[in-house]
Amino acid sequence: QLHLQESGPGLVKPSETLSLTCTVSGGSISSSSYYWGWIRQPPGKGLEWIGTAYYGGNSFYNPSLKRRVTISVDTSNNHFSLKLRSVTAADTAVYFCARRVPGSGSPTSFDYWGQGTLVTVSS
Amino acid sequence: QSALTQPPSASGSPGQSVTISCTGTSSDVGAYNFVSWYQQHPGEAPKLMIYEVSKRPSGVPDRFSGSKSGNTASLTVSGLQAEDEADYYCASYAPSTNLVFGGGTKLTAL
Repeated sequence: QLHLQESGPGLVKPSETLSLTCTVSGGSISSSSYYWGWIRQPPGKGLEWIGTAYYGGNSFYNPSLKRRVTISVDTSNNHFSLKLRSVTAADTAVYFCARRVPGSGSPTSFDYWGQGTLVTVSS
Repeated sequence: QSALTQPPSASGSPGQSVTISCTGTSSDVGAYNFVSWYQQHPGEAPKLMIYEVSKRPSGVPDRFSGSKSGNTASLTVSGLQAEDEADYYCASYAPSTNLVFGGGTKLTAL
């Protein structure tokens, strides 16, 4: 059974970089069928896709965040990471990591999710 | 404002059928069969209920079904149960943004 777990600071200062890691257990992150994504949810609001990455190097980002986001896949540690630069209070949200349904051509289908981690941007 | 439009709320009595709509455009929902639906209970991660418009992941009850007509996708919950009470989000592929979510619908079992 695949398990995803987010980790990282729960508090980030404005203008700094938010860094989160998603550790994958129960499966290899470097399977040719797997894409890995980050989605966030501001408190009391809806879901927002941040980006999706493939271990081979391809990555796709939400245009509204693209200038500030990097998603990378670390096959040696079986985890993938999110970096969001120059954060503001608007970046306060629960951040989820997720796996895209393998073999599906759909970029919208994530079948395994982490429990989510709240990141607050505040001085 | 979300790119996909969902009603803020929907409701039904236990045992009834409820349908939630998700309206996009001819550039996203209408153009691709890449619509997914997620169920989210308070304090939990979203759960994939439907993908590629009408496919159900393993373990999702067949009471949940998806369809699409033109620029509008729909999620139907048949035989509504109390445990189905949750927020539901649709998502679609869109070339300009890759992935867009709807604003969410709160489903209430009366």
